[in-house]
Amino acid sequence: QLVLTQSPSASASLGASVKLTCTLSSGHNNYAIAWHQQQPEKGPRYLMKLDSDGSHIKGDGIPDRFSGSSSGAERYLTISSLQSEDEADYYCQTWATGIQVFGGGTKLTVL
Amino acid sequence: QVQLVESGGGVVQPGRSLRLSCAASGFTFSSYGLHWVRQAPGKGLEWVAVIWYDGNNKNYADSVKGRFTISRDNSKNMLYLQMNSLRAEDTALYYCAKDRRNEYGDGVDYWGQGTLVTVSS
Repeated sequence: QLVLTQSPSASASLGASVKLTCTLSSGHNNYAIAWHQQQPEKGPRYLMKLDSDGSHIKGDGIPDRFSGSSSGAERYLTISSLQSEDEADYYCQTWATGIQVFGGGTKLTVL
Repeated sequence: QVQLVESGGGVVQPGRSLRLSCAASGFTFSSYGLHWVRQAPGKGLEWVAVIWYDGNNKNYADSVKGRFTISRDNSKNMLYLQMNSLRAEDTALYYCAKDRRNEYGDGVDYWGQGTLVTVSS
């Protein structure tokens, strides 16, 4: 069964970096994912598509502070030079024939 | 630029029907798959349904299969979601979303702002 697992919460200080993790279920190590950001009271925003080799395709206007990487079943989103507007929920998404799956989301708090 | 604008949400009684619409612009509508994704109050994102570029292939989440129908009109750049036999647990903000590919999926790359559906007696 295709499942994405995310930690419910994360926190980091203003100006620091944070690395969020999305874990693919067993047997799905080669799957690509997409990362999405949802700021408070707003709709989601596409950040990037991230492949198993770590290559990624960012959405329009996404700053260089946002980057992605991969290792085995783990997919990472790293945000550097954290700003207050980065405080948001972050969701990963993947897909297979006939289905789309979202992770439970990580709530990022910027201290 | 890409725009997706949902409409049709509202308050509806359990067991009744509602039809959502999504008006798209800024891209070649007939070349991409389109999704409905929902978010219950205070909860995460839940994928609902997808329709691929030509409308011939559709897939649904188990939670809505047999009750919801996704459709599109490529001549009008419109996406629809017909929701029948609505339940309280269908209460959510419903988002229209564009896929990066025409079929098989490659991730959502644009989202609408959502339309709220409340199922309550």
